[in-house]
Amino acid sequence: KQEVTQIPAALSVPEGENLVLNCSFTDSAIYNLQWFRQDPGKGLTSLLLIQSSQREQTSGRLNASLDKSSGRSTLYIAASQPGDSATYLCAVNPNQGGKLIFGQGTELSVKP
Amino acid sequence: NAGVMQNPRHLVRRRGQEARLRCSPMKGHSHVYWYRQLPEEGLKFMVYLQKENIIDESGMPKERFSAEFPKEGPSILRIQQVVRGDSAAYFCASSPEGPARDPLHFGNGTRLTVT
Repeated sequence: KQEVTQIPAALSVPEGENLVLNCSFTDSAIYNLQWFRQDPGKGLTSLLLIQSSQREQTSGRLNASLDKSSGRSTLYIAASQPGDSATYLCAVNPNQGGKLIFGQGTELSVKP
Repeated sequence: NAGVMQNPRHLVRRRGQEARLRCSPMKGHSHVYWYRQLPEEGLKFMVYLQKENIIDESGMPKERFSAEFPKEGPSILRIQQVVRGDSAAYFCASSPEGPARDPLHFGNGTRLTVT
């Protein structure tokens, strides 16, 4: 059974710091992995989608990497800003279906 | 291009009543997904629909819950005879093609409270 874990559960950093969020999954047979952010009381915003054949994806200050064999993905945020404060979720797609399996999220707080 | 629209944003129902949650996917998207976020729990998959077809309903409770995505109009998640344990945030997502190729785009959710 696929399980997704995100560590740490919460993270507080000063503005300007580079940071890494971690996501691990128990079954390496995934089709793709997606990173989202969720603001309080809001829905999810898609940040990056990595297909299983890819090693990383970049968008602006965000870089996501995928190591399928070790069951890990990281989300790197460069030069963090207070506006980055949110909960970050990773989700794996175990096959080509619509059933994403989510981690519990990392709650990020960036202090001015 | 408007995002995924869900309504109502908040819904209060008494135990035993019916709840209807609506989701209009992004323009050009024919794949719809429903997820539920219970308090203190992560997001859990409920059902995946394509126009007029249920593709995967493995996450739906066996009783009281149903979903549809008709040829015309929004997707509807229906909960009959609600109980307190149904209180949660219900999120709808959509994608233009299947989930294998495209990222899922989520709406802002409907927060259901059962009193």
